[in-house]
Amino acid sequence: IQLTQSPSSLSASVGDRVTITCRASQGISSYLAWYQQKPGKAPKLLIYAASTLQSGVPSRFSGSGSGTDFTLTISSLQPEDFATYYCQQLNSYPPTFGPGTKVDIK
Amino acid sequence: EVQLVESGGGLVQPGGSLRLSCAASGFTFSSYWMSWVRQAPGKGLEWVANIKQDGSEKYYVDSVKGRFTISRDNAKNSLYLQMNSLRAEDTAVYYCALERWDTAMVFDYWGQGTLVTVSS
Repeated sequence: IQLTQSPSSLSASVGDRVTITCRASQGISSYLAWYQQKPGKAPKLLIYAASTLQSGVPSRFSGSGSGTDFTLTISSLQPEDFATYYCQQLNSYPPTFGPGTKVDIK
Repeated sequence: EVQLVESGGGLVQPGGSLRLSCAASGFTFSSYWMSWVRQAPGKGLEWVANIKQDGSEKYYVDSVKGRFTISRDNAKNSLYLQMNSLRAEDTAVYYCALERWDTAMVFDYWGQGTLVTVSS
């Protein structure tokens, strides 16, 4: 299953609302997760089951969608949110990741 | 506190072999599926393989089938990845990852990664 993400990169300011889209090549129900990765660090799980917030993740992060179209929203961008975001499908083997969306400072 | 510490990476020639290890602590290792995920320099994430709690089921991405073997030693709280017939395209940071207990193939915790470089 192929995943595409849009945009591939974006520039935003602190306080902005940011939305990242992930599209699957076939329906995956709600079997989707989102990760955040900062340079030189391991990825961090943010959301799973398309919309369930991982424990400890700030509530400004939210996820939605099912089937083939999904979104990750950051309601008010904070300085620590500048990173690359990946979606990942877990509907079937092999689990696959999207190409990533890099969020940087405007 | 969950900790995953990878080791065993390094420089290897094409066609060579390497064995990665992941030492786990802070959770009941024998109760969880475990995965290896890699990331080529400047590229995205690619799942490599995973293994069931008792080692009875293993899955691999097509590009490593027949060359890589995942294994675990629950008595030692350790995960392994034996990599043979290495190619330049296997160059990556390899992460050990703990899968959620309730949702397979969601990677709850990650190690810091170990770099494998395949080059002559």
